Amino acid sequence: DAGVIQSPRHEVTEMGQEVTLRCKPISGHNSLFWYRQTMMRGLELLIYFNNNVPIDDSGMPEDRFSAKMPNASFSTLKIQPSEPRDSAVYFCASSLWQGNGELFFGEGSRLTVL
Amino acid sequence: AQRVTQPEKLLSVFKGAPVELKCNYSYSGSPELFWYVQYSRQRLQLLLRHISRESIKGFTADLNKGETSFHLKKPFAQEEDSAMYYCALIGRGSEKLVFGKGTKLTVNP
Repeated sequence: DAGVIQSPRHEVTEMGQEVTLRCKPISGHNSLFWYRQTMMRGLELLIYFNNNVPIDDSGMPEDRFSAKMPNASFSTLKIQPSEPRDSAVYFCASSLWQGNGELFFGEGSRLTVL
Repeated sequence: AQRVTQPEKLLSVFKGAPVELKCNYSYSGSPELFWYVQYSRQRLQLLLRHISRESIKGFTADLNKGETSFHLKKPFAQEEDSAMYYCALIGRGSEKLVFGKGTKLTVNP
């Protein structure tokens, strides 16, 4: 298994543009998480899904951010419009719904908004 | 509310020296605590969890409920231990894993 797959690995865009980050979880995992990593705030949980249903989106910073999981093998995180303060590394992770805390992370998508 | 605090952003030790990475938490119920590690150019991965009471790569961590701490320790640090270490907490019955801000450990030769 290739593990959690994220794309793009790097994205540079201009302020005001729409950004879409993609994630393919590990096959068979039924929980999916989106985290944002910055120097100042560390790893912040943005949203997580169980069986494709959003369970907790309290970490989504504002309405410019949205996430979807149309099926068990795909999720997107969209930022529209993007702002320079959104620059960060965005991680997707998946797990089996067991509450055992073992998440499997992707390599991350590094976003730079100019 | 769940909160994890790692007071040290950076920690530098010499090879062979003991190392302790500090972690304190705040949670009203019975939490489960974890340490995750991210080596250079690798994915963030689970290092150990408190319920397993195991030693991984020479690292151990003991949950101290009185002090609400879960410090990570290793008696003799190795250069390959250089990495970013994150302490994390999950509430029982929850899937919400909350991380501290991380400590960057550098082991010098």
